[in-house]
Amino acid sequence: EAQVTQNPRYLITVTGKKLTVTCSQNMNHEYMSWYRQDPGLGLRQIYYSMNVEVTDKGDVPEGYKVSRKEKRNFPLILESPSPNQTSLYFCASSRGTSGADTQYFGPGTRLTVL
Amino acid sequence: KNEVEQSPQNLTAQEGEFITINCSYSVGISALHWLQQHPGGGIVSLFMLSSGKKKHGRLIATINIQEKHSSLHITASHPRDSAVYICAVSPRHEYMNRDDKIIFGKGTRLHILP
Repeated sequence: EAQVTQNPRYLITVTGKKLTVTCSQNMNHEYMSWYRQDPGLGLRQIYYSMNVEVTDKGDVPEGYKVSRKEKRNFPLILESPSPNQTSLYFCASSRGTSGADTQYFGPGTRLTVL
Repeated sequence: KNEVEQSPQNLTAQEGEFITINCSYSVGISALHWLQQHPGGGIVSLFMLSSGKKKHGRLIATINIQEKHSSLHITASHPRDSAVYICAVSPRHEYMNRDDKIIFGKGTRLHILP
């Protein structure tokens, strides 16, 4: 089944404890992206990748890192999480190398930073 | 000012009514997306369009590039259509002809009463 998977789905952690949220797609998609969703602010793009080894900042990249060593995986790294990074995170992928293509979303990861 | 504005923010209607959700944007774009977020949180892409009109079942999406405006219509609405509908755009960079980012509206929460 064609899908985007994220792990973990739920995570409660403490300030400063490094964490990684994994994202994987099995559709051979070029473009992958991370978003966060907050009440009243909607979805905002954190980082995106147009191809392997090519990543760029979205609108809210501060406090996050990403890497794209393989086409299928695009992990989101929080080196020192803070409470303001408590949010619902979505990974998505699309076939082309831009945002102008149908996006396929993962199920979301709800992160709480205490 | 947000680059993508949706109206209304909230909409409650009776089953069977014709629904219209509007999206206005202020930047040049390569494509506009309509997404549906289910009450459980999952996000699916409904349409991606860059001109004209698209139809899928009871859903119709239109876009007017000159007026920077798009509408999502639902005919014969049903309680299962209750969800948050999100408009997003892929801005076209003025000089570099890139369209790699995605900017979202804050969503319209639709509730269809039986």
